[in-house]
Amino acid sequence: EPEVTQTPSHQVTQMGQEVILRCVPISNHLYFYWYRQILGQKVEFLVSFYNNEISEKSEIFDDQFSVERPDGSNFTLKIRSTKLEDSAMYFCASRLWTVDTEAFFGQGTRLTVV
Amino acid sequence: AQSVTQLGSHVSVSEGALVLLRCNYSSSVPPYLFWYVQYPNQGLQLLLKYTSAATLVKGINGFEAEFKKSETSFHLTKPSAHMSDAAEYFCAVKRGNQFYFGTGTSLTVIP
Repeated sequence: EPEVTQTPSHQVTQMGQEVILRCVPISNHLYFYWYRQILGQKVEFLVSFYNNEISEKSEIFDDQFSVERPDGSNFTLKIRSTKLEDSAMYFCASRLWTVDTEAFFGQGTRLTVV
Repeated sequence: AQSVTQLGSHVSVSEGALVLLRCNYSSSVPPYLFWYVQYPNQGLQLLLKYTSAATLVKGINGFEAEFKKSETSFHLTKPSAHMSDAAEYFCAVKRGNQFYFGTGTSLTVIP
């Protein structure tokens, strides 16, 4: 069964460092998302991506964040200068183009900023 | 704003008992609604979805949910809890291209 894959599963980084979280969405999906979940809190929307550009972004997704689809398969989230409060589980998701379809989520990358 | 409210951040049931996890949505029109499950240290897995077809939706692992427009609810149920059902459950609504998640309900199953 097709699945969304994320790497790495866990990343530890020092405050101020840049990190890139990687995702391989399901191959025929057209919408891509990043969500995050701070420990014990709700799943929060960060950004959606369609047709090689950002479709929507939340207030969380400030200038420190960027997304890219560098090739036909990968979808990345970059945090330019990490803060302690960026520590969270980051989920990538993708879905088909039809309006009633669900998002398929990856296993997540646990980012720990120290 | 489109949102979902999950009543009860923690629910405990005995093994074999009925599971009822509550979700209410706010929307002026019937939305697309989903229940996801998150097992420890794992991602979000779709349990079931409502897309304006049948109001009673059956999902995986014996779960089902009923869409009630009059109550703006989409509660998740399972007749008989199993130990393996212990997990975090999230209700979500989709409006436009975004998914909005509730705060989650942690289900504990007592042997």
